[in-house]
Amino acid sequence: GNSVTQMEGPVTLSEEAFLTINCTYTATGYPSLFWYVQYPGEGLQLLLKATKADDKGSNKGFEATYRKETTSFHLEKGSVQVSDSAVYFCALTSRGYNKLIFGAGTRLAVHP
Amino acid sequence: DADVTQTPRNRITKTGKRIMLECSQTKGHDRMYWYRQDPGLGLRLIYYSFDVKDINKGEISDGYSVSRQAQAKFSLSLESAIPNQTALYFCATSDPSGSQSANTGELFFGEGSRLTVL
Repeated sequence: GNSVTQMEGPVTLSEEAFLTINCTYTATGYPSLFWYVQYPGEGLQLLLKATKADDKGSNKGFEATYRKETTSFHLEKGSVQVSDSAVYFCALTSRGYNKLIFGAGTRLAVHP
Repeated sequence: DADVTQTPRNRITKTGKRIMLECSQTKGHDRMYWYRQDPGLGLRLIYYSFDVKDINKGEISDGYSVSRQAQAKFSLSLESAIPNQTALYFCATSDPSGSQSANTGELFFGEGSRLTVL
């Protein structure tokens, strides 16, 4: 079945450091891939997405590239800020199938 | 005001009690979902509904039931709460026919309902 595996957290960084959060997936067909972010005390919100191989999703300085050959969708940001502290979830859905399958989430803590 | 509203936001109850979590949305979406979030497990789907007459079980539906009272309302019930149902519960909506394009799967979440069962 379809599944998503994320690197375990917490990830602790200093402000302006480079961020990578790894995500790999298992899916039949050609899924759409997502990163959602959950700020403290809030619900999840979409951060970025990619719907086909080699697409790059980007938003708020975050990027992720849909790599079919490695079944990966790693999240990156060149310079993190304290305000980026949150839990990040990788997710997928198969085409014609509107249910999201989530990874376990990775908590990011950014210190000044 | 939030587009997806959950009530209550926090609830503490005792084992064996019946609990209802309510969700209402103003987005006009047909599809609604209930997820639970547990530390280290991410979000797991409990039930989902693609329209008022459609109810489907998710991966962890045992011990839960739902009611889709209207397009805008989707309630989750725990008939007899138990401590391992202590979790953060999220309602979400989606619109596969909207401007986001069909079947891209974006969900819009409420702020969550934290349930503690003692």
